[in-house]
Amino acid sequence: DTGVSQNPRHKITKRGQNVTFRCDPISEHNRLYWYRQTLGQGPEFLTYFQNEAQLEKSRLLSDRFSAERPKGSFSTLEIQRTEQGDSAMYLCAVHGGTSRSTGELFFGEGSRLTVL
Amino acid sequence: DQQVKQNSPSLSVQEGRISILNCDYTNSMFDYFLWYKKYPAEGPTFLISISSIKDKNEDGRFTVFLNKSAKHLSLHIVPSQPGDSAVYFCALAGGTSYGKLTFGQGTILTVHP
Repeated sequence: DTGVSQNPRHKITKRGQNVTFRCDPISEHNRLYWYRQTLGQGPEFLTYFQNEAQLEKSRLLSDRFSAERPKGSFSTLEIQRTEQGDSAMYLCAVHGGTSRSTGELFFGEGSRLTVL
Repeated sequence: DQQVKQNSPSLSVQEGRISILNCDYTNSMFDYFLWYKKYPAEGPTFLISISSIKDKNEDGRFTVFLNKSAKHLSLHIVPSQPGDSAVYFCALAGGTSYGKLTFGQGTILTVHP
């Protein structure tokens, strides 16, 4: 069964505060992806993990962003000193279907961040 | 530098008619081409895909066409239903990680009863 739980679903914060999002895949998945979606745009790749190892980070992931996957299961995405430009939907995804070589991803419902 | 473009921000179609959504890309490195559907307040949902070695893939009411020479991808929905109303994204995969997708900007499809 492929499923991804994300929380919180919605976070409103003031500029300069730190926020953390969590992603829990329902079953074991070697690879876990984080994406960001801003209004009127498609999702943009941020980073991905192979088990505990963070293998790639996008240029979008500034030094205020940090992601972890300590036990190779759940993952967290932390944003420090939030800025209004960080307002977006943060999406977590794992591979769906029977193969990870087709690009088919199963996305969670996302965590919406609003920075005031 | 936008590698994937969906030039129509929105499309309105009558129920029962065909919906055609288009996507253009610039980079030839991609191996898989996908369509995702997204409802408000939900994550994107995989719809259908096609590999670069094919030019057509069909799944029920949904057909994806790939024209590699033109670097053009399209999704046909026949017949369109009101429940198909959503945002549709094309996404391209390839290279070192097939989970690293490059998405288009999306097209809002509205199917009127």
